[in-house]
Amino acid sequence: SAVISQKPSRDICQRGTSLTIQCQVDSQVTMMFWYRQQPGQSLTLIATANQGSEATYESGFVIDKFPISRPNLTFSTLTVSNLSPEDSSIYLCSYYRTDTDTQYFGPGTRLTVL
Amino acid sequence: LAKTTQPISMDSYEGQEVNITCSHNNIATNDYITWYQQFPSQGPRFIIQGYKTKVTNEVASLFIPADRKSSTLSLPRVSLSDTAVYYCLVVPNFNKFYFGSGTKLNVKP
Repeated sequence: SAVISQKPSRDICQRGTSLTIQCQVDSQVTMMFWYRQQPGQSLTLIATANQGSEATYESGFVIDKFPISRPNLTFSTLTVSNLSPEDSSIYLCSYYRTDTDTQYFGPGTRLTVL
Repeated sequence: LAKTTQPISMDSYEGQEVNITCSHNNIATNDYITWYQQFPSQGPRFIIQGYKTKVTNEVASLFIPADRKSSTLSLPRVSLSDTAVYYCLVVPNFNKFYFGSGTKLNVKP
C-alpha cells in the first residue's frame, strides 16, 4: 500500500487561530478523506476531499470551519479555523484503494487548543 | 446506512483465542464488512474484510453467517501487543467509512 503521512504530528494552538494539516500520499489516489477523533472516542468522518472540486462534507461539518484543499492526486490539506478548546482532537486523513476496497489511514495530527 | 453494535470492551489472556462479535441487522445486499485495529496515538489499521462465509488471513479470521446480520472477528492466540480498539464497519460500495464505537480489547499476561 502507498505510504501516507501527515504534518504536523501534533500542535498546540491558541483559541481563535487556525491550523492547517497536510496529508501526503506517495502515489496517486482518487479518493481521500478527513476524520476527527475526539479524546476517547471513535472516528467521525468530516469530509471527502475531491481532486479538482470542492470537498463533500458530512452532516455537522461546514466548509467555513473545515476548509479542505485537494490540489492534486497525492496531497490534501485540512484547515481547522477559528479554533476553540472543543476542537482539541486527533485529525486523520485516509485514502481509498479501489483494488482492495478499503482505506488506509495516516498517523494522525493531535491538536490541542488552549 | 447499516448501524453496527459491538461490545464496548473485552478482556483476555495471552495465548487465548479472542472472538469479537459485531451486529449489523440492517446490512444491505451490496455492503461488505471490514475490521480495523487502532493502537493509541496511531491511525486505524486494516485487519480483514469479507462479504459472506469465512475469510482468513495471516492475522485473523472473519466469520459471517448466511444472513449476514452479524460477523465475528477471531484473533488466534493473542499477545499483549494485540491490546487495541477493534472497529467493525459495514461499508457500502461507495467507500465512505462510518466508524462505530469499537471494542477495546485488553490482553493480560
